[in-house]
Amino acid sequence: DAGVTQSPTHLIKTRGQHVTLRCSPISGHKSVSWYQQVLGQGPQFIFQYYEKEERGRGNFPDRFSARQFPNYSSELNVNALLLGDSALYLCASSVLRDRAYEQYFGPGTRLTVT
Amino acid sequence: GNSVTQMEGPVTLSEEAFLTINCTYTATGYPSLFWYVQYPGEGLQLLLKATKADDKGSNKGFEATYRKETTSFHLEKGSVQVSDSAVYFCALRDNNDMRFGAGTRLTVKP
Repeated sequence: DAGVTQSPTHLIKTRGQHVTLRCSPISGHKSVSWYQQVLGQGPQFIFQYYEKEERGRGNFPDRFSARQFPNYSSELNVNALLLGDSALYLCASSVLRDRAYEQYFGPGTRLTVT
Repeated sequence: GNSVTQMEGPVTLSEEAFLTINCTYTATGYPSLFWYVQYPGEGLQLLLKATKADDKGSNKGFEATYRKETTSFHLEKGSVQVSDSAVYFCALRDNNDMRFGAGTRLTVKP
C-alpha cells in the first residue's frame, strides 16, 4: 500500500509570497494533520482535518490555512511568507486503532523562504 | 495547556547497553502517549503507544509505561543495537491537540 505522499519535496519562495503544499493520505484514512518541524525541534501541530472539517488547530497565525477534499487529500496554504516559515512541513494521516489515533507521516516538504 | 518534555540529547551508548530516554508530560485531559522514531534519512514512524494509565506499550524491544502519578512515559530498551541509532520523539494526544517533545538523538556505537 502507498504511504502518505506529499508534494512538492522542496520549495524555495521569497518573503511575502504565498505557498500551497499538498498531501495525499493512506487509502482509507479520513483524517489528515499538518505539522511544522524546524531543524532540531519536534513537530509543531498546525491543523487536523477529519471528513473535510477542521477538528483541531495549533497556535499558528491566520496566514496558515488548510482544507481537505472529498477524496481526503489536503492542502496547506501559507500567505505572506516570512523567513521564520522556513521549515519541514509534515503531513500525517491517521486511523483509530486500539482506542488511539495512530499517525502515519509523509516525507515532508522542505520550504525555504529567502 | 498540553506539553511534552523529554531529556535532551544527544545520547551515545555502546552496543548492548541499557537505554532510558525520559519523557514527562502536562495535559489538561486524559491523553494517549506515543513514542515516534526517525531513522536517518527516513520519516517519522510510530514506535509504540499507550492509551491509559499503567498501560505498557512495546515494540522492537522498546517499552514505555504510562505513569499517571508521575506524568511520565519513559522509553527503555534492555540492549541497544547500532541499528537503533535515530531521533526519538515523545508525544501526546489530548482530544484533537497533538504535542511532540523536542526529540532525543541516540547514537549507538559498535
